[in-house]
Amino acid sequence: QVQLQQSGPGLVKPSQTLSLTCAISGDSVSSNSVTWHWIRQSPSRGLEWLGRTYYRSKWYNDYAVSVKSRITINPDTSKNQFSLQLNSVTPEDTAVYYCARGIPAGGRYNWFDPWGQGTLVTVSS
Amino acid sequence: DIQMTQSPSSVSASVGDRVTITCRASQGISSWLGWYQQKPGTAPKLLIYASSSLQSGVPSRFSGSGSGTDFTLTITSLQPEDFATYYCQQVNSFPLTFGGGTKVEIK
Repeated sequence: QVQLQQSGPGLVKPSQTLSLTCAISGDSVSSNSVTWHWIRQSPSRGLEWLGRTYYRSKWYNDYAVSVKSRITINPDTSKNQFSLQLNSVTPEDTAVYYCARGIPAGGRYNWFDPWGQGTLVTVSS
Repeated sequence: DIQMTQSPSSVSASVGDRVTITCRASQGISSWLGWYQQKPGTAPKLLIYASSSLQSGVPSRFSGSGSGTDFTLTITSLQPEDFATYYCQQVNSFPLTFGGGTKVEIK
Protein backbone atom coordinates (compact mmCIF):
# COMPACT_ATOMS: atom_id res chain seq x y z
CA GLN A 1 0.00 0.00 0.00
CA VAL A 2 1.51 3.29 -1.10
CA GLN A 3 1.47 6.13 1.41
CA LEU A 4 2.64 9.72 1.09
CA GLN A 5 3.58 11.69 4.20
CA GLN A 6 3.97 15.44 3.90
CA SER A 7 6.05 17.68 6.14
CA GLY A 8 6.95 21.34 6.27
CA PRO A 9 6.02 24.63 7.91
CA GLY A 10 2.47 25.89 7.97
CA LEU A 11 3.38 29.57 8.07
CA VAL A 12 5.60 31.42 5.60
CA LYS A 13 6.31 35.15 5.44
CA PRO A 14 5.62 37.11 2.27
CA SER A 15 8.55 37.16 -0.20
CA GLN A 16 10.09 34.07 1.41
CA THR A 17 10.25 30.47 0.13
CA LEU A 18 7.64 27.80 0.79
CA SER A 19 9.26 24.39 1.22
CA LEU A 20 7.42 21.08 1.60
CA THR A 21 8.54 17.47 1.46
CA CYS A 22 6.62 14.34 0.53
CA ALA A 23 8.02 11.05 1.87
CA ILE A 24 7.05 7.94 -0.09
CA SER A 25 6.46 4.47 1.31
CA GLY A 26 5.44 1.47 -0.74
CA ASP A 27 6.84 2.82 -4.02
CA SER A 28 9.99 4.45 -5.33
CA VAL A 29 10.50 8.03 -6.40
CA SER A 30 12.73 6.55 -9.14
CA SER A 31 9.99 4.29 -10.50
CA ASN A 32 9.77 4.24 -14.29
CA SER A 33 6.01 3.79 -14.29
CA VAL A 34 4.63 6.64 -12.18
CA THR A 35 4.94 10.40 -11.75
CA TRP A 36 5.07 12.61 -8.64
CA HIS A 37 3.02 15.78 -8.32
CA TRP A 38 2.21 18.81 -6.22
CA ILE A 39 -1.31 20.22 -6.20
CA ARG A 40 -2.83 22.99 -4.10
CA GLN A 41 -6.37 23.87 -3.10
CA SER A 42 -7.79 27.19 -2.03
CA PRO A 43 -11.32 28.65 -1.94
CA SER A 44 -10.42 31.23 -4.59
CA ARG A 45 -8.52 28.99 -7.03
CA GLY A 46 -9.99 25.54 -6.35
CA LEU A 47 -7.74 22.58 -7.09
CA GLU A 48 -4.68 23.75 -9.00
CA TRP A 49 -2.00 21.45 -10.39
CA LEU A 50 1.47 22.92 -9.80
CA GLY A 51 3.93 20.50 -11.31
CA ARG A 52 5.50 17.06 -11.43
CA THR A 53 8.78 15.18 -11.46
CA TYR A 54 9.41 11.74 -12.87
CA TYR A 55 12.17 9.38 -13.89
CA ARG A 56 12.48 7.78 -17.32
CA SER A 57 16.18 6.95 -17.56
CA LYS A 58 16.73 10.55 -16.47
CA TRP A 59 14.77 13.07 -14.44
CA TYR A 60 12.10 15.29 -15.94
CA ASN A 61 9.98 18.14 -14.60
CA ASP A 62 6.85 19.91 -15.80
CA TYR A 63 5.42 23.02 -14.19
CA ALA A 64 2.26 25.06 -14.43
CA VAL A 65 2.81 28.32 -16.29
CA SER A 66 1.21 30.25 -13.42
CA VAL A 67 4.11 29.35 -11.09
CA LYS A 68 6.85 28.33 -13.52
CA SER A 69 9.19 31.19 -12.65
CA ARG A 70 8.97 30.45 -8.92
CA ILE A 71 8.68 26.67 -8.52
CA THR A 72 11.14 23.80 -8.17
CA ILE A 73 10.23 20.15 -7.60
CA ASN A 74 13.15 17.92 -6.74
CA PRO A 75 13.45 14.19 -6.15
CA ASP A 76 15.62 12.87 -3.32
CA THR A 77 16.48 9.27 -4.09
CA SER A 78 18.49 8.77 -0.90
CA LYS A 79 15.39 9.43 1.22
CA ASN A 80 12.77 8.25 -1.31
CA GLN A 81 10.94 11.55 -1.27
CA PHE A 82 10.35 14.64 -3.35
CA SER A 83 10.05 18.27 -2.47
CA LEU A 84 8.34 21.49 -3.46
CA GLN A 85 9.94 24.91 -3.30
CA LEU A 86 7.91 27.98 -4.19
CA ASN A 87 9.79 31.26 -4.10
CA SER A 88 8.66 34.82 -3.50
CA VAL A 89 5.34 33.83 -1.98
CA THR A 90 2.45 36.24 -1.49
CA PRO A 91 -0.81 35.86 0.44
CA GLU A 92 -2.34 34.49 -2.81
CA ASP A 93 -0.20 31.38 -2.31
CA THR A 94 -2.08 30.56 0.88
CA ALA A 95 -3.63 27.13 0.30
CA VAL A 96 -3.67 23.49 1.30
CA TYR A 97 -0.81 21.84 -0.55
CA TYR A 98 -0.97 18.17 -1.53
CA CYS A 99 1.55 15.77 -2.98
CA ALA A 100 0.23 12.91 -5.08
CA ARG A 101 1.38 9.97 -7.17
CA GLY A 102 0.39 9.95 -10.80
CA ILE A 103 -0.48 6.45 -11.94
CA PRO A 104 -0.82 4.98 -15.42
CA ALA A 105 -4.26 3.62 -16.16
CA GLY A 106 -6.48 3.31 -19.18
CA GLY A 107 -3.70 4.45 -21.46
CA ARG A 108 -2.73 7.66 -19.71
CA TYR A 109 -0.64 8.78 -16.76
CA ASN A 110 -1.41 11.37 -14.12
CA TRP A 111 -4.44 9.95 -12.39
CA PHE A 112 -3.69 10.98 -8.81
CA ASP A 113 -3.61 8.06 -6.40
CA PRO A 114 -2.85 8.27 -3.56
CA TRP A 115 -2.57 11.79 -2.18
CA GLY A 116 -0.66 13.05 0.82
CA GLN A 117 -2.58 14.25 3.85
CA GLY A 118 -2.33 17.91 2.87
CA THR A 119 -0.53 20.83 4.50
CA LEU A 120 -2.22 24.15 5.10
CA VAL A 121 0.33 26.83 4.29
CA THR A 122 -0.52 30.38 5.28
CA VAL A 123 1.47 33.26 3.85
CA SER A 124 1.42 36.06 6.37
CA SER A 125 3.78 38.36 8.20
CA ASP B 1 -5.67 25.67 -20.74
CA ILE B 2 -8.68 23.34 -20.77
CA GLN B 3 -11.45 24.66 -18.53
CA MET B 4 -13.56 22.11 -16.69
CA THR B 5 -17.08 23.17 -15.69
CA GLN B 6 -19.16 21.10 -13.30
CA SER B 7 -22.86 21.30 -12.64
CA PRO B 8 -24.64 21.61 -10.39
CA SER B 9 -22.36 23.23 -7.83
CA SER B 10 -24.39 21.53 -5.12
CA VAL B 11 -27.18 18.99 -4.92
CA SER B 12 -29.37 17.90 -2.01
CA ALA B 13 -30.31 14.25 -1.96
CA SER B 14 -31.51 11.51 0.34
CA VAL B 15 -30.04 8.13 1.13
CA GLY B 16 -31.07 5.77 -1.64
CA ASP B 17 -31.40 8.47 -4.29
CA ARG B 18 -29.73 8.44 -7.67
CA VAL B 19 -27.43 11.42 -8.20
CA THR B 20 -25.93 12.59 -11.50
CA ILE B 21 -23.15 15.17 -11.78
CA THR B 22 -21.97 16.60 -15.08
CA CYS B 23 -18.60 17.90 -16.20
CA ARG B 24 -17.98 19.79 -19.41
CA ALA B 25 -14.57 20.42 -20.96
CA SER B 26 -13.85 23.60 -22.93
CA GLN B 27 -12.41 21.44 -25.72
CA GLY B 28 -12.44 17.77 -26.60
CA ILE B 29 -10.49 15.53 -24.24
CA SER B 30 -11.44 12.10 -25.64
CA SER B 31 -11.99 9.89 -22.59
CA TRP B 32 -9.22 11.41 -20.48
CA LEU B 33 -11.37 12.35 -17.54
CA GLY B 34 -11.28 11.28 -13.91
CA TRP B 35 -13.55 11.76 -10.91
CA TYR B 36 -12.48 12.32 -7.30
CA GLN B 37 -14.35 12.33 -4.01
CA GLN B 38 -13.29 14.65 -1.21
CA LYS B 39 -14.61 14.63 2.34
CA PRO B 40 -14.01 17.59 4.69
CA GLY B 41 -10.47 17.78 6.01
CA THR B 42 -9.17 14.98 3.81
CA ALA B 43 -7.45 14.66 0.47
CA PRO B 44 -9.35 13.79 -2.70
CA LYS B 45 -9.72 10.11 -3.54
CA LEU B 46 -9.69 8.73 -7.09
CA LEU B 47 -13.00 7.07 -7.99
CA ILE B 48 -13.01 6.79 -11.78
CA TYR B 49 -10.38 7.17 -14.49
CA ALA B 50 -10.59 7.21 -18.27
CA SER B 51 -14.21 8.38 -18.07
CA SER B 52 -15.74 5.06 -17.03
CA SER B 53 -13.17 2.79 -15.38
CA LEU B 54 -13.71 2.17 -11.68
CA GLN B 55 -10.62 2.47 -9.52
CA SER B 56 -9.86 -0.60 -7.43
CA GLY B 57 -11.87 -0.74 -4.24
CA VAL B 58 -14.51 1.79 -5.31
CA PRO B 59 -18.10 0.57 -4.89
CA SER B 60 -19.98 -0.33 -8.06
CA ARG B 61 -22.74 2.20 -7.29
CA PHE B 62 -20.35 4.77 -8.78
CA SER B 63 -20.21 4.94 -12.56
CA GLY B 64 -18.94 7.35 -15.16
CA SER B 65 -19.63 7.97 -18.80
CA GLY B 66 -18.95 10.37 -21.62
CA SER B 67 -16.35 11.34 -24.17
CA GLY B 68 -15.26 14.44 -26.02
CA THR B 69 -16.52 17.36 -23.97
CA ASP B 70 -19.42 16.02 -21.88
CA PHE B 71 -19.14 13.61 -18.99
CA THR B 72 -21.27 12.35 -16.13
CA LEU B 73 -20.72 10.75 -12.76
CA THR B 74 -23.67 8.77 -11.44
CA ILE B 75 -24.15 7.47 -7.93
CA THR B 76 -26.96 4.95 -7.75
CA SER B 77 -28.54 4.41 -4.35
CA LEU B 78 -26.69 7.12 -2.42
CA GLN B 79 -25.17 5.92 0.85
CA PRO B 80 -24.43 8.01 3.99
CA GLU B 81 -20.69 7.84 3.29
CA ASP B 82 -21.19 9.34 -0.19
CA PHE B 83 -22.02 12.82 1.09
CA ALA B 84 -18.93 14.69 -0.07
CA THR B 85 -17.65 17.00 -2.78
CA TYR B 86 -16.86 15.52 -6.20
CA TYR B 87 -14.34 16.87 -8.70
CA CYS B 88 -13.60 16.05 -12.30
CA GLN B 89 -10.06 16.27 -13.72
CA GLN B 90 -8.73 16.11 -17.26
CA VAL B 91 -5.44 14.45 -18.17
CA ASN B 92 -5.64 15.11 -21.90
CA SER B 93 -3.09 17.91 -21.83
CA PHE B 94 -1.01 20.08 -19.55
CA PRO B 95 -1.71 21.89 -17.39
CA LEU B 96 -3.85 19.24 -15.74
CA THR B 97 -7.05 20.95 -14.63
CA PHE B 98 -9.97 20.27 -12.32
CA GLY B 99 -13.59 21.23 -12.21
CA GLY B 100 -14.90 23.52 -9.50
CA GLY B 101 -16.58 20.72 -7.56
CA THR B 102 -20.09 19.50 -6.79
CA LYS B 103 -21.13 19.19 -3.18
CA VAL B 104 -23.58 16.38 -2.46
CA GLU B 105 -25.52 17.32 0.65
CA ILE B 106 -28.08 15.58 2.77
CA LYS B 107 -31.66 16.61 2.03
